[in-house]
Amino acid sequence: QQQVKQSPQSLIVQKGGISIINCAYENTAFDYFPWYQQFPGKGPALLIAIRPDVSEKKEGRFTISFNKSAKQFSLHIMDSQPGDSATYFCAARRGSWGKLQFGAGTQVVVTP
Amino acid sequence: NAGVTQTPKFRVLKTGQSMTLLCAQDMNHEYMYWYRQDPGMGLRLIHYSVGEGTTAKGEVPDGYNVSRLKKQNFLLGLESAAPSQTSVYFCASSHSIRDSPYEQYFGPGTRLTVT
Repeated sequence: QQQVKQSPQSLIVQKGGISIINCAYENTAFDYFPWYQQFPGKGPALLIAIRPDVSEKKEGRFTISFNKSAKQFSLHIMDSQPGDSATYFCAARRGSWGKLQFGAGTQVVVTP
Repeated sequence: NAGVTQTPKFRVLKTGQSMTLLCAQDMNHEYMYWYRQDPGMGLRLIHYSVGEGTTAKGEVPDGYNVSRLKKQNFLLGLESAAPSQTSVYFCASSHSIRDSPYEQYFGPGTRLTVT
């Protein structure tokens, strides 16, 4: 079963709007939560990441909100642009060797 | 730097055939990983390696074998391909945990179809 649950599966947002993707986890041993962005035909690339001792991290138009007590975290894309159209994966890392558990992915389409 | 490269980019196999996927990285990373990506399932870890000569099983290791004879290379083998192994395969690498904040760098992927 998937240890990291991601929603929605897809979303369409207008240019300038806000895209919000949510993830939930069960294992409290996870200690690092990255988001990866993937364009068609390419490999995933790290977008932004957060540790569980921080409630929010912002990098440009991308923000991660982290709720440790609820075991949930989310990605907000502000002022969404057509170039943000991609598939986004949340992930969680547990302990040794850097192994990541990925969510199922969210396909984001930003319309002009 | 080329980063992480994968060969081949595409391959079609018949059921029962074997093949090897090659991953190479030029970033001197200790850790390397093989994932498969299937629609609606995200990326799932097949095998990983934390150093030259060492490998370990991930989440979905059945039907695959790996080898890490050189630090920069990580090979994924399918001994007897099955249609269930039709997928896109990604290799990734990262520094060891003590050296950096864990970012994994991914290759461009290999699209494998088993008929």
